Amino acid sequence: QVQLQESGPGLVKPSQTLSLTCTVSGGSISSGDYYWSWIRQPPGKGLEWIGHIHRSGATYYVPPQSRITISSDTSKNQFSLKLSSVTAADTAVYYCARATLEQQLGQWGQGTLVTVSS
Amino acid sequence: EIVLTQSPGTLSLSPGERVTLSCRASQSVSSNNLAWYQQKPGQAPRLLIYGASNRATGIPDRFSGNGSGTDFTLTISRLEPEDFAVYHCQQYGSSPSTFGQGTKVEIK
Repeated sequence: QVQLQESGPGLVKPSQTLSLTCTVSGGSISSGDYYWSWIRQPPGKGLEWIGHIHRSGATYYVPPQSRITISSDTSKNQFSLKLSSVTAADTAVYYCARATLEQQLGQWGQGTLVTVSS
Repeated sequence: EIVLTQSPGTLSLSPGERVTLSCRASQSVSSNNLAWYQQKPGQAPRLLIYGASNRATGIPDRFSGNGSGTDFTLTISRLEPEDFAVYHCQQYGSSPSTFGQGTKVEIK
């Protein structure tokens, strides 16, 4: 059973870069055909797809794309999210998840709250 | 992008009741690529339904999905205590994949 766990700072200052890592256990991010994904949920709001990475290295970012970078480290079985120039609007619970190629999200991490505040 | 509107925002019901939740899309969802998720407080969402009507592994048969085009529903035939939660719909037929704002099913 694949398990995912997010890690990273819970507080980020405005204009700085939010950095999160998702550690995957029980399966390899280098095998199978999945999108290793980042989803977020602002307080009191719905879910938002941020982007994903495939084992091939191909990435997809939801527009506008300029602030988002998703990468992977297969040696550590991890993938990461960087979101630059954050504002209070980026305050959310951030989830990492495994999606099928059809983008159904079958496995999720527990989520981590990131607050953007000075 | 496709906007999904879920209604109602909140439902107050009793265990044992039948409930139908609505998810309406601003454009037709291709190939009925619509999923439903259940989310309990402090937990990640759990996939219930994919392809509009297919139950995910381990999901009880009291959960059923229906619909096509722009109108989709999730029905819980008989509410169990563990079913009180927020339900989200997601379309993945067009990029970017988008979610509804959620419907909360609460105990009356």
